[in-house]
Parts: sequence; C-alpha cells; structure tokens
Amino acid sequence: DIVLTQSPLSLPVTPGEPASISCRSSQSLLYSNGYNYLNWYLQKPGQSPQLLLFLGSSRASGVPDRFSGSGSGTDFTLKISRVEAEDVGVYYCMHTLQTPYSFGQGTKLEIK
Amino acid sequence: EVQLVQSGAEVNKPGESLKISCQGSGYRFDNSWLAWVRQMPGKGLECMGIIYPGDSDARYSPSFQGQVTFSVDKSINTAYLQWSRLKASDTAMYYCARLMSCSGGVCPGAFDLWGQGAMVTVSS
Repeated sequence: DIVLTQSPLSLPVTPGEPASISCRSSQSLLYSNGYNYLNWYLQKPGQSPQLLLFLGSSRASGVPDRFSGSGSGTDFTLKISRVEAEDVGVYYCMHTLQTPYSFGQGTKLEIK
Repeated sequence: EVQLVQSGAEVNKPGESLKISCQGSGYRFDNSWLAWVRQMPGKGLECMGIIYPGDSDARYSPSFQGQVTFSVDKSINTAYLQWSRLKASDTAMYYCARLMSCSGGVCPGAFDLWGQGAMVTVSS
C-alpha cells in the first residue's frame, strides 16, 4: 500500500505570509496518462474536509488562486501565496492512484 | 442543490449492530463512486473504501475488510455503512464523499462532495 508522509505537522504562519506543505509518497503517483494522482484537502475546525486541489495542481471549483500545487512522482507541495485567517485548519494530501486510497497524517496550520 | 446528507449521531453498546446512511441529491447518484472515510477523535482521515452505486461494486481498504459492509439502495439514492458487532474502537466520525466524475477519459478519483459526517459512539 502507498504511504504518504507530510511535513511539517504543525505550521504557524503570520497573515499575509506564504506557507508551504510537503507530501512525499512511498511510490510514484505518476500514471501512464501523465497525471499525478495526488489531491489536497482542507478540514476547517468543526467542518467536513473540502477539496482544494486534484491531480496534483488543478484547483477545485471555488478555491482561491492563492492555493497552488506542484510536484510529480513522489514529491509534492501545496503552497499558499498569502495566508489569510480563514485558511486555518488541517491540510491533508491523499492519493487516488489505486485502491486502497490513503491520506497523509495532516498538517495543522495556525495563525501566529 | 448538490449534496450528501448523512444520518444523525448514534450511541451504541459494544456488540450491537448499526447501519448509518448517506443520501445523495442533485446529481446522478448511481453514476459516481462513493467513499467512506473514518476520523477517530482527534486523529486524521482514513479511507475505508469505495462503492459504485450503479452495481454495488465495493472495494475495501485492508484495515476495514471484514469489519464493515458497504451497501446501496439506488431507488432512494442512499448508501449505507454497516457494522454487525460494534467495538469501542469504532467510536469515530464517519464521512461519506463523492468521487469526482471523469472528464476527457481522466478520472481523478478526488472526493469533491462530502457529507456532514455522522458521529458514532460505542460505549458500555
């Protein structure tokens, strides 16, 4: 099974500053069609998770453009260009290359 | 409105059976895979597996195989997660989520629509 490892696990950020979260996979998530089957979610406090990015770098509907995804194969990064107060919560990467799907441990973003 | 609505919170005793539900609306329910996701108190997300409502094809993650059962009633656009004998360790929030539809032959598999969650508490 594929294991995803996120870092850091805790991320204090000053509003207006950038933030970056890493997700490393135990095996390549690059499929033969050229797409990376890696997704990013945000779970805000007390809420259900919400999809931010899919296929590594495609933003889901309604997601602000300050969120971006990059990487390929086994190394991926979620970047927030300028953190806002509403971005607090736990960020998860998840692969959908093959079943069983799995999530990273989560990265808790908090405002300094 | 496109949504997944889950059944309410449950409190049960160890050894009891339980079935929770997830009803879809606003989209073709039988045409999109559904996932079940567990979140134990204070912990991260775990994918339990997925089911295709069209034909009830189910794929369980190894940790959950034999522990739970997925099922669907297409006539009422509802998916179910069932336990035959609950354990205290089943105490968790359970989410259902829809997998994104395919486009241009690419099926991302990402979960683009989530239910509100159902809290299951198992305690004697």
